[in-house]
Amino acid sequence: KQEVTQIPAALSVPEGENLVLNCSFTDSAIYNLQWFRQDPGKGLTSLLLIQSSQREQTSGRLNASLDKSSGRSTLYIAASQPGDSATYLCAAKTTDSWGKFQFGAGTQVVVTP
Amino acid sequence: DTAVSQTPKYLVTQMGNDKSIKCEQNLGHDTMYWYKQDSKKFLKIMFSYNNKELIINETVPNRFSPKSPDKAHLNLHINSLELGDSAVYFCASSILGGPQRETQYFGPGTRLLVL
Repeated sequence: KQEVTQIPAALSVPEGENLVLNCSFTDSAIYNLQWFRQDPGKGLTSLLLIQSSQREQTSGRLNASLDKSSGRSTLYIAASQPGDSATYLCAAKTTDSWGKFQFGAGTQVVVTP
Repeated sequence: DTAVSQTPKYLVTQMGNDKSIKCEQNLGHDTMYWYKQDSKKFLKIMFSYNNKELIINETVPNRFSPKSPDKAHLNLHINSLELGDSAVYFCASSILGGPQRETQYFGPGTRLLVL
């Protein structure tokens, strides 16, 4: 059974510093992995989706890498801003397109001005 | 213009009642999901429908019954509500298969409180 872990559970950084968020998964046979952002009291917003054949995906200040052999994905956010404060969740889909996403518990990020 | 909408946004009810939550997506997606987020913010899949067919049915009490009248709608009916059902329920949708086509879009959530 796929287990997804995100460490640390919470992170506080000063504005301008780069953010590094970690996601570990136990089953390397993943189909794809998705990073989300969740603001308090809101739904999830998709940030990046990485297919199993890809090593990384980039969107603006965000870059997500995928290393299946080590069971890790990392989300980098460059030059953090207070507006980046949110909870970031990763979700790994196993097996195939018909599989389910297994979510991590998330990392709560606070960017201080 | 909301992509994935849920009603109601808040639901406060007594134990033992029956309630329904509705979800609609206007993205033209073929797959819809129900997730439960508990008090510790952990998100777990409950059900998934692809083209109105049930494809994921996690181990949830049979008091929970999903229904998909068409590809754009997925409803969740809960019988005999219990205190432990209190949570935020999220609906999501996506297109299955193909690169980048599996991005999941989430609704705003329905906050259920059972008293």
